[in-house]
Amino acid sequence: GAVVSQHPSWVICKSGTSVKIECRSLDFQATTMFWYRQFPKQSLMLMATSNEGSKATYEQGVEKDKFLINHASLTLSTLTVTSAHPEDSSFYICSARRTSGGGKTQYFGPGTRLLVL
Amino acid sequence: QKEVEQNSGPLSVPEGAIASLNCTYSDRVSQSFFWYRQYSGKSPELIMSIYSNGDKEDGRFTAQLNKASQYVSLLIRDSQPSDSATYLCAVNSPGYGGSQGNLIFGKGTKLSVKP
Repeated sequence: GAVVSQHPSWVICKSGTSVKIECRSLDFQATTMFWYRQFPKQSLMLMATSNEGSKATYEQGVEKDKFLINHASLTLSTLTVTSAHPEDSSFYICSARRTSGGGKTQYFGPGTRLLVL
Repeated sequence: QKEVEQNSGPLSVPEGAIASLNCTYSDRVSQSFFWYRQYSGKSPELIMSIYSNGDKEDGRFTAQLNKASQYVSLLIRDSQPSDSATYLCAVNSPGYGGSQGNLIFGKGTKLSVKP
């Protein structure tokens, strides 16, 4: 299998606080993980590509200082939303690509719903 | 600008019918193609991957790829109400977002299977 977990699944926080979301590949190694955001009734939007041991690559329009990504191991990437505001409320989904084998297939985590009050 | 186009739907089919979902892509050098299913409020789950021209069957699902026409489709036979979801077409575009390329997703087609 190729299981990806995310934690937490739900988070509610006050405006101005920081929130950390973890993404783990449970049964495979993932050199590359991806972070997406999805607003209600809209399509997936790639925020950044996270590579183990190096800096993340951010998509145009995504603030790297606001969305901090750390990919410290082959099975874990974290996304920290710093100084969260209500407009950051969204569904954050990570995906992981196998280090070897599996082609370019991305396996998605279950997602994290963030609500900023 | 590399793009993946899908009809947003909704596509409505009766239970037991064949649902046909279509996708076109702009990058001629794309090599890998995927269909994901996303239920409302959930994250996408992989249904099919296809890499070569022709058909690939898995249970009630058949993916079809025509690289010359830059077209990929998904057929769902004997559609069930549980198939009601948004179906995302994804194309790997070499060089997009790194040396291995990233997936470019279409906006998805919403499928509704009526009992």
